[in-house]
Amino acid sequence: DIQLTQSPSSLSASEGDRVTITCRASQTISSYLNWYQQKPGKAPKLLIYAASSLQSGVPSRFSGSGAGTDFTLTISSLQPEDFATYYCQQSYSTPLTFGGGTKVEIK
Amino acid sequence: QVQLQQSGPGLVKPWQTLSLTCAISGDSVSSNSATWNWIRQSPSRGLEWLGRTYYRSKWNNDYAESVKSRLTINPDTSKNQFSLQLNSVTPEDTAIYYCSRGGENYLDPWGQGTLVTVSS
Repeated sequence: DIQLTQSPSSLSASEGDRVTITCRASQTISSYLNWYQQKPGKAPKLLIYAASSLQSGVPSRFSGSGAGTDFTLTISSLQPEDFATYYCQQSYSTPLTFGGGTKVEIK
Repeated sequence: QVQLQQSGPGLVKPWQTLSLTCAISGDSVSSNSATWNWIRQSPSRGLEWLGRTYYRSKWNNDYAESVKSRLTINPDTSKNQFSLQLNSVTPEDTAIYYCSRGGENYLDPWGQGTLVTVSS
């Protein structure tokens, strides 16, 4: 199985901050990496697919980059509605696997 | 716009069968480009993909090794839905269960989630 390691597991940030979350795969997964946002009591919501493609309707302050084993999710200017938990997920091979999550909290 | 609506009991007794259904609107369970997935989430296991069903000239299934011996995912073309059956459940199967459409190598959308508690 492909393991995904996210860092950090949590972070505190202020509105307007630039936030970067990383995801490292245990083997190369090309660009088969997706990012999701989850708020309490809700299902995960797709933000970025294929490492860097912005899902329709997602604000442009979200961006993704990387290929191979190292990937990054960036929020350019953190907004109040962005406080949530973020997960990476690989679709290179089954079983599909997820990172452990990064909780973004208010500083 | 694809929407998924989950249904099923929130409480299951140990060693019984957990059964959930995911009704699809805006797409077809028989689509040649989509997969239909079940994922669960718990504090101890995080987000865990369980398996999927999909149609590519014939019906196919993929299951996670951790549940493969206990899990069945079936399509129901007459009702345009798919189901999960997990046998011989234990308290470790307590989790929020989600269904999701897989397309273009990502999972979107997701159902609303069902909290399933395994307890006597």
